[in-house]
Amino acid sequence: GIQVEQSPPDLILQEGANSTLRCNFSDSVNNLQWFHQNPWGQLINLFYIPSGTKQNGRLSATTVATERYSLLYISSSQTTDSGVYFCAVSASGSRLTFGEGTQLTVNP
Amino acid sequence: DSGVTQTPKHLITATGQRVTLRCSPRSGDLSVYWYQQSLDQGLQFLIQYYNGEERAKGNILERFSAQQFPDLHSELNLSSLELGDSALYFCASSVHTGTGYEQYFGPGTRLTVT
Repeated sequence: GIQVEQSPPDLILQEGANSTLRCNFSDSVNNLQWFHQNPWGQLINLFYIPSGTKQNGRLSATTVATERYSLLYISSSQTTDSGVYFCAVSASGSRLTFGEGTQLTVNP
Repeated sequence: DSGVTQTPKHLITATGQRVTLRCSPRSGDLSVYWYQQSLDQGLQFLIQYYNGEERAKGNILERFSAQQFPDLHSELNLSSLELGDSALYFCASSVHTGTGYEQYFGPGTRLTVT
């Protein structure tokens, strides 16, 4: 099956800093999603981005499908951005395969 | 709020017992997916139903079973529970985007087996 690798595994920032999270995947996909898991465990959709670039406020994402990677950019980070960021992919339009996540801590 | 609902939010039970987790997909979504998030295995796909029929199966144990009812809600049944079944269980439903399917997750059911 598809392998998904996320880096870095942990990231500690000061409020206001920018960051880039990376997701590499091992095969062609027709679905790629970024999620934020907040401290209460909820999985919140950030982007559906099998290819191209999208922006939503301070967050943006780029997927280069031909090179099998996606990047999530967080600018001017806030303490509420803390949590785990997951990349998940699917080749079949069905099950999502998740990476192990990036644990982000934003300190005030 | 994703529109996917799950009950109960928390469940504490003993080894050997059986529990049922319930999920209602977003209005109009025909697919339901179940995932398990545990500390040692991460987030793993268990099973998918589409309009009442099983569509795909992942790493679901034989002690676990699921079904989707005519009103499209789904139930995940976990039996002969073991300590290792303690996890966060998510349900998701999907919407077609024109190019693929975007999944939305419910708040999860946190199962603790003692």
